[in-house]
Amino acid sequence: ELKVEQNPLFLSMQEGKNYTIYCNYSTTSDRLYWYRQDPGKSLESLFVLLSNGAVKQEGRLMASLDTKARLSTLHITAAVHDLSATYFCAVGDTGNQFYFGTGTSLTVIP
Amino acid sequence: DSGVTQTPKHLITATGQRVTLRCSPRSGDLSVYWYQQSLDQGLQFLIQYYNGEERAKGNILERFSAQQFPDLHSELNLSSLELGDSALYFCASSVDIGGSYEQYFGPGTRLTVT
Repeated sequence: ELKVEQNPLFLSMQEGKNYTIYCNYSTTSDRLYWYRQDPGKSLESLFVLLSNGAVKQEGRLMASLDTKARLSTLHITAAVHDLSATYFCAVGDTGNQFYFGTGTSLTVIP
Repeated sequence: DSGVTQTPKHLITATGQRVTLRCSPRSGDLSVYWYQQSLDQGLQFLIQYYNGEERAKGNILERFSAQQFPDLHSELNLSSLELGDSALYFCASSVDIGGSYEQYFGPGTRLTVT
């Protein structure tokens, strides 16, 4: 079974600072997803990364994928309070199953 | 609003009972995915349907079953419910079969088994 490790589990950061969330997975995959979940809400798709070296950016968030290292990163630039949420990465395997990380709970402090 | 609808929003039932959760995908989406989110197990993929056919199966218990109907809505049936089945159940939809496109999640059904 594919394992997905996400770190850190909890992240408290000041507004204006930069930080990176890491997502490691255990076996070959070419599909990596990032989601955001606000408390008590559903999941919102942020990025779908499909190839080695893929980089996508939306606002203050940038995601990248290194399939050889089995690593994806979600970089937060100049954090603002509105980014406070839980962020999940997920990996799709060749059988079209999906495996989620444990989530990173991000709190941005004014 | 993702365009994916789920009913009911909340469901409280007793152990041993059976419930049905319903999902309507976004217009034009052929794939429906079911997920379970609980404090114990995190987010788990249960099953995927594409245009009425089962495509992938994850950690779905034998007591659970699903189907996708000709109008593309899907139902997840949970039977012989146990306390540990209490969780949030999400469905998601996407346009493709292979997961290359975004999945749009519904608001979820919160199931409480007492």
